Amino acid sequence: DAGVTQSPTHLIKTRGQHVTLRCSPISGHKSVSWYQQVLGQGPQFIFQYYEKEERGRGNFPDRFSARQFPNYSSELNVNALLLGDSALYLCASSRIRDRAAYEQYFGPGTRLTVT
Amino acid sequence: GEDVEQSLFLSVREGDSSVINCTYTDSSSTYLYWYKQEPGAGLQLLTYIFSNMDMKQDQRLTVLLNKKDKHLSLRIADTQTGDSAIYFCAELVLAGNMLTFGGGTRLMVKP
Repeated sequence: DAGVTQSPTHLIKTRGQHVTLRCSPISGHKSVSWYQQVLGQGPQFIFQYYEKEERGRGNFPDRFSARQFPNYSSELNVNALLLGDSALYLCASSRIRDRAAYEQYFGPGTRLTVT
Repeated sequence: GEDVEQSLFLSVREGDSSVINCTYTDSSSTYLYWYKQEPGAGLQLLTYIFSNMDMKQDQRLTVLLNKKDKHLSLRIADTQTGDSAIYFCAELVLAGNMLTFGGGTRLMVKP
């Protein structure tokens, strides 16, 4: 079975631009979470979506938004990009949400560079 | 400060055991995880432990949990050069259903 897939793998944007990152979860997984990993640090939670609804949000500004589609794939959108948004953006999928989505599997990430 | 803390670096010789340590602060944690990240790659789930367990063994990996001290460790037996990577400890916080990660421990295995 295919793992979590993300696109694109790399992206270079200019300050002030907008970016859309995409994620397809493992088949059968209905929950998708997004994390930001700045170089040299651990991942930071941005959002969790389950059954197309936002179920959790981390401490990120409103410039960050996401959505989940009927096929459980997801998009992360970031508006008005800042240099500090440069990071590896990771998507994780899990089978269930309630009673702990205890097995979260990560994709390879999208490396975003803002210049 | 971070809710999950790890030492930055560990160096071992091939064939030795490696022990990577982690402390966490959220007493409501239900699951605690170890992930491995190789250069330029995503996170690979290695193992996890439920908070009512003290120990879990999975092939070369042994996880020990001390709930009183909020201390988690990962022991890798017979460490190989392919084990060189960054290892992240994480706790599942039910409120928000999110993983909170430590800063990672870089493991270097010398031949």
